[in-house]
Amino acid sequence: NAGVTQTPKFQVLKTGQSMTLQCAQDMNHEYMSWYRQDPGMGLRLIHYSVGAGITDQGEVPNGYNVSRSTTEDFPLRLLSAAPSQTSVYFCASRPDRGGDEQYFGPGTRLTVT
Amino acid sequence: TQLLEQSPQFLSIQEGENLTVYCNSSSVFSSLQWYRQEPGEGPVLLVTVVTGGEVKKLKRLTFQFGDARKDSSLHITAAQPGDTGLYLCAGGPGGSYIPTFGRGTSLIVHP
Repeated sequence: NAGVTQTPKFQVLKTGQSMTLQCAQDMNHEYMSWYRQDPGMGLRLIHYSVGAGITDQGEVPNGYNVSRSTTEDFPLRLLSAAPSQTSVYFCASRPDRGGDEQYFGPGTRLTVT
Repeated sequence: TQLLEQSPQFLSIQEGENLTVYCNSSSVFSSLQWYRQEPGEGPVLLVTVVTGGEVKKLKRLTFQFGDARKDSSLHITAAQPGDTGLYLCAGGPGGSYIPTFGRGTSLIVHP
């Protein structure tokens, strides 16, 4: 199993551009989530999904869209990039049963100029 | 939103020293997780504690869940440079709720 994969690893955008961060998992997990990590701020939840076709907002959803058409994939879309969205983005998944343990991808480092 | 406070925020110690980091909240958690994150990588789960008063050991790392399930501690005995990293705690009320993360403790162990 590859676990949770994320692409790209690094990305530079200009203000106003849009892009999609890809996330996929091969563990058949129902729950998936997107976090951003900024220095001194820890991991903040952007959006999450409890199953295909179901998404909900987290703590910092503004400027981001998600969709969950399959169990495996959970892409994060930046509609119009802003410098405040410069961050490291992590995707995570967890099964719907058992504990709250999450499995994280390697992250995407995004810079918006 | 359930808040998790981690302390200390930074810790710089010499190899061989012992240390304890803390994770505190005013809310009750159904479970609490500890993760370690190395630079340029995603967090990796170390342990989950579920029962109040529970103690779990992972080699030189000892994790404790408070009796009231509102706080937790991580104790490292004889720290090694390989223990360097960001230690994050996370918890939630369970069910479909996505866990909340603390801001982390950044540990540097000098050889």
